[in-house]
Amino acid sequence: GDSVTQMEGPVTLSEEAFLTINCTYTATGYPSLFWYVQYPGEGLQLLLKATKADDKGSNKGFEATYRKETTSFHLEKGSVQVSDSAVYFCALSRGFKTIFGAGTRLFVKA
Amino acid sequence: DAGVIQSPRHEVTEMGQEVTLRCKPISGHNSLFWYRQTMMRGLELLIYFNNNVPIDDSGMPEDRFSAKMPNASFSTLKIQPSEPRDSAVYFCASSYLAGGRSEDTQYFGPGTRLTVL
Repeated sequence: GDSVTQMEGPVTLSEEAFLTINCTYTATGYPSLFWYVQYPGEGLQLLLKATKADDKGSNKGFEATYRKETTSFHLEKGSVQVSDSAVYFCALSRGFKTIFGAGTRLFVKA
Repeated sequence: DAGVIQSPRHEVTEMGQEVTLRCKPISGHNSLFWYRQTMMRGLELLIYFNNNVPIDDSGMPEDRFSAKMPNASFSTLKIQPSEPRDSAVYFCASSYLAGGRSEDTQYFGPGTRLTVL
């Protein structure tokens, strides 16, 4: 069945460092791919998404490219801020179901 | 729009008591999801409604859990009787599903943190 695997955390970075959080998926067909972010005490909220191969989703300095050949959707940001500290979830959607990865916690130190 | 509204935000109860969690989805959305989040199991889909009809309840852990959606603007998740292992954060999410495909964003509520003593 469909599944999402993302790198385990926590990831600890200093402010202004480069961020990569790896995400790979297993699915038949062409699912839509998402990154959601969860700040402490809140629900998940959409960070970015891509609906077809080679699409790049971007928002708030974060980017991810839908790579069909490597079945990946890695999240990147060139310069993280303390306010980016949160849990990041990779997800795929096909039909009515959205399948979430386990989440990667990011700590950014000042 | 106020977003997805959940109540209560926190619930502390004793084992054996009935617990009812409430959700108001975003107006105009036709799909509603209940999730449970724990450290051990991550985010689990419990049940999915489309146009107020339960479509997939395969994630509901056992008969102690039940969910209803009497109209497009309200849903409940009930646990009776509650047990300590039910302690978790319960999220409600809504989205708009068109043409049988749901590739659109899910909008999550703030969650209800349930503690069963």
